[in-house]
Amino acid sequence: KNEVEQSPQNLTAQEGEFITINCSYSVGISALHWLQQHPGGGIVSLFMLSSGKKKHGRLIATINIQEKHSSLHITASHPRDSAVYICAVPSNFGNEKLTFGTGTRLTIIP
Amino acid sequence: NAGVTQTPKFQVLKTGQSMTLQCAQDMNHEYMSWYRQDPGMGLRLIHYSVGAGITDQGEVPNGYNVSRSTTEDFPLRLLSAAPSQTSVYFCASSQQASPLHFGNGTRLTVT
Repeated sequence: KNEVEQSPQNLTAQEGEFITINCSYSVGISALHWLQQHPGGGIVSLFMLSSGKKKHGRLIATINIQEKHSSLHITASHPRDSAVYICAVPSNFGNEKLTFGTGTRLTIIP
Repeated sequence: NAGVTQTPKFQVLKTGQSMTLQCAQDMNHEYMSWYRQDPGMGLRLIHYSVGAGITDQGEVPNGYNVSRSTTEDFPLRLLSAAPSQTSVYFCASSQQASPLHFGNGTRLTVT
């Protein structure tokens, strides 16, 4: 079964700072998901990626399949980016069942 | 296009009561799943379905039943509620190898 570790668990930064959140996993995968959960809110899919890099607005996700590691970057962070960011990977390669990290709680101070 | 609809949003049960959490999606997705989210832990898979008539257990299936009689609906049944089932429950759907779509969650308290 895939083991997922996210770091840091908590991150507080000033508005405008560049943010990096990391995710490592133990078993080779077909794709990795990044999700966002606002306080008291639902969960939204940000990215699903299997190689390289994807960009959406100020958010960038990268993955290194060989090193079993992914990063989520936020450029020019804003208070509305404050949320919990969660990565998820298949429990086993080619499996649709997902294993989730415990999340990174990001707080952006104005 | 409503996406994934979960009901109810909040529920309080007494120990031993049963109930059904409803989940419906209107995107014709093959895959549907139920997760529970507890403080300090990641989302954990309860049950999973890859299509109508097909279900499979996840990481924490005990105390829960599911069925998938249609593509759209995937209800989660608590047979005899226990305080350990106090949690926030999320339903999600997707196509194969595609992003997940989540419902808004159900906050369940068992006293």
